[in-house]
Amino acid sequence: GAGVSQSPSNKVTEKGKDVELRCDPISGHTALYWYRQSLGQGLEFLIYFQGNSAPDKSGLPSDRFSAERTGGSVSTLTIQRTQQEDSAVYLCASSLGAHREQFFGPGTRLTVL
Amino acid sequence: SQQGEEDPQALSIQEGENATMNCSYKTSINNLQWYRQNSGRGLVHLILIRSNEREKHSGRLRVTLDTSKKSSSLLITASRAADTASYFCATDSWGKLQFGAGTQVVVTP
Repeated sequence: GAGVSQSPSNKVTEKGKDVELRCDPISGHTALYWYRQSLGQGLEFLIYFQGNSAPDKSGLPSDRFSAERTGGSVSTLTIQRTQQEDSAVYLCASSLGAHREQFFGPGTRLTVL
Repeated sequence: SQQGEEDPQALSIQEGENATMNCSYKTSINNLQWYRQNSGRGLVHLILIRSNEREKHSGRLRVTLDTSKKSSSLLITASRAADTASYFCATDSWGKLQFGAGTQVVVTP
């Protein structure tokens, strides 16, 4: 079946611009996660949605970062006023529920010039 | 901050040899997972071991978990060139994963 998909695969933007990254989880997966991977920080958790519960936003690095999940499916991660340190690969994952194996998408490589 | 610390950082072996990597963590966990990442590609889930399990096998993979020592190991037996990748342990305490820095494994023919 279809895996987790993310778009765009690459995004180049100028410092100060806003960007939106999209994630389509595996159908039927109730949990959705955002992580980012950068050379300096490794793999970091950003935000976690589980069903209708309030999301766990504890990993968001600043208030410039936000995410929403509409209809319990597609999610969008928004970064406002991008900075060069936001450059990273943003990974989305989904799972059947909490404490289950997570299936990752291919990521969006964000470059902030 | 990262929960897991992996050892070694890099490992170079020949085809047919076994590869062992270790992961230590700091807080109590629900489960620990191992992932593989090939260069430039996404993370692939390998195996999940729950906190009440001590050992798990999947094909050529063997994972152990010692919750008293807060450590886990991943053994890849009879390695192949296709096993060349970075391997990450990730702990699940509250649903979200906290990753280690990874072990880079190179398997030469």
